[in-house]
Amino acid sequence: EVQVLESGGGLVQPGGSLRLSCAASGFTFSNYAMGWVRQFPGKGLEWVSSMSGIRSGEATYYADSVKGRFTISRDNSRNTVYLQMDGLRAEDTAIYYCAKGSDMDIWGQGTTVTVSS
Amino acid sequence: DIVMTQSPLSLPVTLGQPASISCWSSRSLVHTDGDTYLSWFHQRPGQSPRRLIYKVSNRDSGVPDRFSASGSGTYFTLKISRVEAEDVGVYYCMQNVDLYTFGQGTKLEI
Repeated sequence: EVQVLESGGGLVQPGGSLRLSCAASGFTFSNYAMGWVRQFPGKGLEWVSSMSGIRSGEATYYADSVKGRFTISRDNSRNTVYLQMDGLRAEDTAIYYCAKGSDMDIWGQGTTVTVSS
Repeated sequence: DIVMTQSPLSLPVTLGQPASISCWSSRSLVHTDGDTYLSWFHQRPGQSPRRLIYKVSNRDSGVPDRFSASGSGTYFTLKISRVEAEDVGVYYCMQNVDLYTFGQGTKLEI
């Protein structure tokens, strides 16, 4: 079964850091782009970042709202994609979802990030 | 950046009746490869989004055939032929021809 599972969320103070992980299974991970999408409390969806697969050079892409603060990376040996979040702000408070592929066909259950003092 | 606009934002429906959601993009979603990168997602309360449709009109595995989608260029629609109770939730369109943008979401309620 194809699935992705996020972890690493929690409560952090403004200016702090968190690293989210997304463990994938059931498909050839290195061949697929992986992305992160967030959902603000009671609101819609916002794309955060994506990283292409090994055949596309593992290129990285970021939304303007997180550029320079968040870093996406992947470890193909561990079938895991990461989102390093630095300089966190209250407005980064959201559920963070990991999604498989450039067309986001499979999503995880999400991990909650709360930025508050 | 491409802007995605959905209508309506709230959609009260009656069980067994049809429903339709529209989605506009601020520019064409046709890629240079010839495909059009527009997807539809459904999010039930308390759950993560699930993709229903990709490349305008292709249903994902397990999606009931009461769901259909169409469109081209900058205008797209998702239709439910007969609404069932499990269809409640929020529907989002998403473009991925140029990075990613989601529509605001349409809340379908019985």
